Amino acid sequence: KAGVTQTPRYLIKTRGQQVTLSCSPISGHRSVSWYQQTPGQGLQFLFEYFSETQRNKGNFPGRFSGRQFSNSRSEMNVSTLELGDSALYLCASSRASGGIYNEQFFGPGTRLTVL
Amino acid sequence: GESVGLHLPTLSVQEGDNSIINCAYSNSASDYFIWYKQESGKGPQFIIDIRSNMDKRQGQRVTVLLNKTVKHLSLQIAATQPGDSAVYFCAERGSGSARQLTFGSGTQLTVLP
Repeated sequence: KAGVTQTPRYLIKTRGQQVTLSCSPISGHRSVSWYQQTPGQGLQFLFEYFSETQRNKGNFPGRFSGRQFSNSRSEMNVSTLELGDSALYLCASSRASGGIYNEQFFGPGTRLTVL
Repeated sequence: GESVGLHLPTLSVQEGDNSIINCAYSNSASDYFIWYKQESGKGPQFIIDIRSNMDKRQGQRVTVLLNKTVKHLSLQIAATQPGDSAVYFCAERGSGSARQLTFGSGTQLTVLP
């Protein structure tokens, strides 16, 4: 079956702009988590959505937001972009939320560059 | 705060040798650990996991060892192959209500011919 897909794969924006990234989970998966990956900070958890509700949130400013639709697809939005937001944004899906042993499947990521 | 870190940022091994990648974690309440492999241009790929009530788990060519006494996790890859070259991350899941994954900084494994 198809894996996690993320669009777009690459994006270039300028400071102050806003951006929306999209993630389509594996069919049947209802949980979507977002991560930011940078060389300096590694992989950091942004938030998790399950059944259209945000279940968990990491330590990121309010400029980072997300949502999930009834078909489990998710979007994340970053407003007022800063240079430090340049990163690989990864989406991961799993069958359920909060369970200890739910394996997360990652997408290829969206590479965001802020100029 | 809680953190998961790796001892070595890079590791080079000869093809056919065994590889050992180490990870230290600081949250003694973490109850689940995962190793991921990330190849260039791809997202992390699940390799193997282990629960805190276990100290060893084996998969195909991989073994994870967990030492809760010293809060140490290791990934052993047997007969390392060129396709094993990648960045390897350990991750832990805390026992709080959030239960999100906290990732280590990663180790770059390079397999030499």
